[in-house]
Amino acid sequence: ETGVTQTPRHLVMGMTNKKSLKCEQHLGHNAMYWYKQSAKKPLELMFVYSLEERVENNSVPSRFSPECPNSSHLFLHLHTLQPEDSALYLCASSQDFPEKLFFGSGTQLSVL
Amino acid sequence: EDQVTQSPEALRLQEGESSSLNCSYTVSGLRGLFWYRQDPGKGPEFLFTLYSAGEEKEKERLKATLTKKESFLHITAPKPEDSATYLCAVQPRGSTLGRLYFGRGTQLTVWP
Repeated sequence: ETGVTQTPRHLVMGMTNKKSLKCEQHLGHNAMYWYKQSAKKPLELMFVYSLEERVENNSVPSRFSPECPNSSHLFLHLHTLQPEDSALYLCASSQDFPEKLFFGSGTQLSVL
Repeated sequence: EDQVTQSPEALRLQEGESSSLNCSYTVSGLRGLFWYRQDPGKGPEFLFTLYSAGEEKEKERLKATLTKKESFLHITAPKPEDSATYLCAVQPRGSTLGRLYFGRGTQLTVWP
């Protein structure tokens, strides 16, 4: 398998649930990202990991918790989300700075 | 306040009808400007990077240009398969790894 793979593609959760989004990149890149895409709003950077170390946390609420166990895998752990957190969550990877980001297809999250 | 503004929000073209999309930015000092294409249900796909005023890049029917305050994505003789949302993003000079500011995108529809 090539590129950036995200699972699940769709997720519906209640406000009290705990779930995790998974991202895997098969490109040998050294940086991975979580972006949030809401309807009619620009893509928002959430987290950046470089060589498995978090280097950016863009004022994201603590109900979102990222984890990067190795350079190929990235998780986003979700707990006690709010309905306004419903959005498309995109994972991306790059080699060094983001001259060329490679995105996954995203997880469409709905919080009820 | 958005640092990247794209216009128009939506554009409908007949096949073969050339046009341009605009991306204006207000960051002080530009490290790079990026164009991405996003199809429904997918993550953005990289198209071009531009670094300095006067630079141009071409790919098939698309040509991207850059001035000191804006970029244009010219579409020559578009085909229905060019229908997508086109996203512009800028990386300010001195920004940390992964810090891209995206516009809201232009949704392009090309009808036969």
